[in-house]
Amino acid sequence: EAGVAQSPRYKIIEKRQSVAFWCNPISGHATLYWYQQILGQGPKLLIQFQNNGVVDDSQLPKDRFSAERLKGVDSTLKIQPAKLEDSAVYLCASSPWGVRSYEQYFGPGTRLTVT
Amino acid sequence: KNEVEQSPQNLTAQEGEFITINCSYSVGISALHWLQQHPGGGIVSLFMLSSGKKKHGRLIATINIQEKHSSLHITASHPRDSAVYICAGGGSQGNLIFGKGTKLSVKP
Repeated sequence: EAGVAQSPRYKIIEKRQSVAFWCNPISGHATLYWYQQILGQGPKLLIQFQNNGVVDDSQLPKDRFSAERLKGVDSTLKIQPAKLEDSAVYLCASSPWGVRSYEQYFGPGTRLTVT
Repeated sequence: KNEVEQSPQNLTAQEGEFITINCSYSVGISALHWLQQHPGGGIVSLFMLSSGKKKHGRLIATINIQEKHSSLHITASHPRDSAVYICAGGGSQGNLIFGKGTKLSVKP
């Protein structure tokens, strides 16, 4: 079974530029999560989708971050414009329908460096 | 507030040593995840447990519900075990609450 796919794996941009990350969850998984992990800290939930609806986006900085999950499968996370403090690893995870959401499967992450 | 605390933050061991990483959590967390994160970012789930003990190879995870405490043990540690180990609790809203991680370095 293929795992959660993410791209790109690494991205370096200058502050005030825009960037987008892509995630393809495990086939059949209804729930998709985006996490931000700053160096030395645990992951922080940015947004949770159930199919193509948003369940929780309370910690998403909506002035600069946006995410969508069209058709309830792939998802993109965008930052516009980026700030230095956005440098982090962005993790995507998915979990199957009907399972408590702490059973999550993680992708390899995208390491973002903002200069 | 749901919280997950790990200790130690950093751990250096010699190859072959027995390693223990501890995790304490507050009320409202219904299950514990132990996750492994190698350099480069990807996270792998090691264990999910809500009671007792689980074993996989040289890894053992235990949980004490009454004391709200879990431990991850590595027997006969090896340099390839070097990674960040993260404890995460399943919260009351069905979300994951992460500890800050323990960075383990096993020297040959």
